[in-house]
Amino acid sequence: DAGVIQSPRHEVTEMGQEVTLRCKPISGHDYLFWYRQTMMRGLELLIYFNNNVPIDDSGMPEDRFSAKMPNASFSTLKIQPSEPRDSAVYFCASSLGLAGMRETQYFGPGTRLLVL
Amino acid sequence: GQQVMQIPQYQHVQEGEDFTTYCNSSTTLSNIQWYKQRPGGHPVFLIQLVKSGEVKKQKRLTFQFGEAKKNSSLHITATQTTDVGTYFCAGRGSGGSNYKLTFGKGTLLTVNP
Repeated sequence: DAGVIQSPRHEVTEMGQEVTLRCKPISGHDYLFWYRQTMMRGLELLIYFNNNVPIDDSGMPEDRFSAKMPNASFSTLKIQPSEPRDSAVYFCASSLGLAGMRETQYFGPGTRLLVL
Repeated sequence: GQQVMQIPQYQHVQEGEDFTTYCNSSTTLSNIQWYKQRPGGHPVFLIQLVKSGEVKKQKRLTFQFGEAKKNSSLHITATQTTDVGTYFCAGRGSGGSNYKLTFGKGTLLTVNP
């Protein structure tokens, strides 16, 4: 298996532009997680899905952020409009389940976002 | 909400010295996981601890879960340059519907050869 795939790996955009981050989880994993990592705040859970359904989006910073999972093999995280404070590394992770070793999370390589 | 604190934030050691990072939760945990993130990389799962007082070893790494299931530690014996990276603990609360894995802010380990 190729592991969790994320694209793009790097994104530089200007304030006000729309940004779309993409993720392909490991095949067969029922859970998908979006995280944001910054020096100041560390690794923050933004939202997670179970079987393509959003379960908990309480970590989404504000209405400018939205996430979708139209099918089991694809998810997007969209920021519209983007702001400089959104600059961070965004990770997607997936897991088989939420119990025992099934809850081990496998992280993608991340998308490094810079908003100018 | 649940908070997971890690100390120290940074640790610099000479190669061959030991290293320990500590993780403390504000609430009782059902389990705790440890991840390692190399510079410029992504978090990679190391181990999961579930039982009170559990101790697990992976070569030079020793992981402990406290008796009260509110704290954990990772100890590296005789560090090597390959140990460089940030070590995160991540805990899941016990009871209720708290399925969130809360990550500590990590301990950045640097090793001087």
